[in-house]
Amino acid sequence: EDQVTQSPEALRLQEGESSSLNCSYTVSGLRGLFWYRQDPGKGPEFLFTLYSAGEEKEKERLKATLTKKESFLHITAPKPEDSATYLCAVQKKGTALIFGKGTTLSVSS
Amino acid sequence: GAGVSQSPSNKVTEKGKDVELRCDPISGHTALYWYRQSLGQGLEFLIYFQGNSAPDKSGLPSDRFSAERTGGSVSTLTIQRTQQEDSAVYLCASSLSNSGLLNTEAFFGQGTRLTVV
Repeated sequence: EDQVTQSPEALRLQEGESSSLNCSYTVSGLRGLFWYRQDPGKGPEFLFTLYSAGEEKEKERLKATLTKKESFLHITAPKPEDSATYLCAVQKKGTALIFGKGTTLSVSS
Repeated sequence: GAGVSQSPSNKVTEKGKDVELRCDPISGHTALYWYRQSLGQGLEFLIYFQGNSAPDKSGLPSDRFSAERTGGSVSTLTIQRTQQEDSAVYLCASSLSNSGLLNTEAFFGQGTRLTVV
């Protein structure tokens, strides 16, 4: 069965304290892995797509990496505005995205 | 419009009533998805449309739920005889395509918050 597991469920950081969020997956025929950010009361906002093991993408303080079994979202020197729930999703060709339950990040100043 | 639009943004309905939720995808996007998000939970897949192909209805929780997509654009999710457990945020997303070699990212609307009382 295709499955996505995110850890930790919640993460509290001090401003400037770098860390990583994990997304492990079991899916046959992976076509893409997606990272989204979701703020309270809003729809998920697209961040990154990764297609193959070894691929990396960066955006401001965020960097996403992919291996054959997991993806990491690295947050460097986070700021309070990075506080949100980060969602990971996987997709096979011609199917809908399968989401993990997310990691809720809180960054305090 | 520039993004995915959903209406209404909030809906309160009495148990047993039918409700219709609307989604206007990004122009030109052939793939459209419906998800449900309960409080503190992840996104639960409901139904997926790709172009003129038969929709993937495998995520619909019961036969009270149905969806259609007219003219390959606007989609309506209908819940008949609503129950309290149907209370959730219903999210719609669209993407350029999902049938090629590479998947394209899906963009979400702001959701419809449904409360069944």
